Amino acid sequence: GDSVTQTEGLVTLTEGLPVMLNCTYQTIYSNPFLFWYVQHLNESPRLLLKSFTDNKRTEHQGFHATLHKSSSSFHLQKSSAQLSDSALYYCALSLGYKLTFGTGTSLLVDP
Amino acid sequence: EAAVTQSPRNKVAVTGGKVTLSCNQTNNHNNMYWYRQDTGHGLRLIHYSYGAGSTEKGDIPDGYKASRPSQENFSLILELATPSQTSVYFCASGPRGNTLYFGEGSRLIVV
Repeated sequence: GDSVTQTEGLVTLTEGLPVMLNCTYQTIYSNPFLFWYVQHLNESPRLLLKSFTDNKRTEHQGFHATLHKSSSSFHLQKSSAQLSDSALYYCALSLGYKLTFGTGTSLLVDP
Repeated sequence: EAAVTQSPRNKVAVTGGKVTLSCNQTNNHNNMYWYRQDTGHGLRLIHYSYGAGSTEKGDIPDGYKASRPSQENFSLILELATPSQTSVYFCASGPRGNTLYFGEGSRLIVV
């Protein structure tokens, strides 16, 4: 079946360093939608960015990601981490009516 | 901004008891979803609905029922609650295959 893999459970960074959170997916369908959701402590998940266009960079709030269908990847990046980026990040896959989420990556940014 | 509200926000239930989690959305979205969130598992889909009167099984439906009596309301029902159902439950609504808007979450403890 369809699935999303986030290999890192916890990423710890020093403020100012670049961020890269990995996301790969599996599906037999050729036109998936990919999403990144962010969940801060004691809040609900909210959309960070999304894409369905192959090899096109999408950006929001300093974060960016590019959907690469050739490698089934949608990694999340940011050039310089901020303390406020500390949160739980979910990659998700949509093929129609439902979203399938990965297990999430907790990002902890230290001063 | 999308508005999804859940009740109760916190619930302690006894094993074998019946629990109903309620969700209301004011966005006129056709699709509604129930997820549970557990450390190490991420967000897992329990049930979802295409519209009033419809319910569909998600990835982990066992032990749960759902009801969608109207466009605005979507309930999750645990007929015989078990300790393994202790979790945080999120309701969400959204257009087909697109951005989900999450409620605040309902924390359930089954003792």
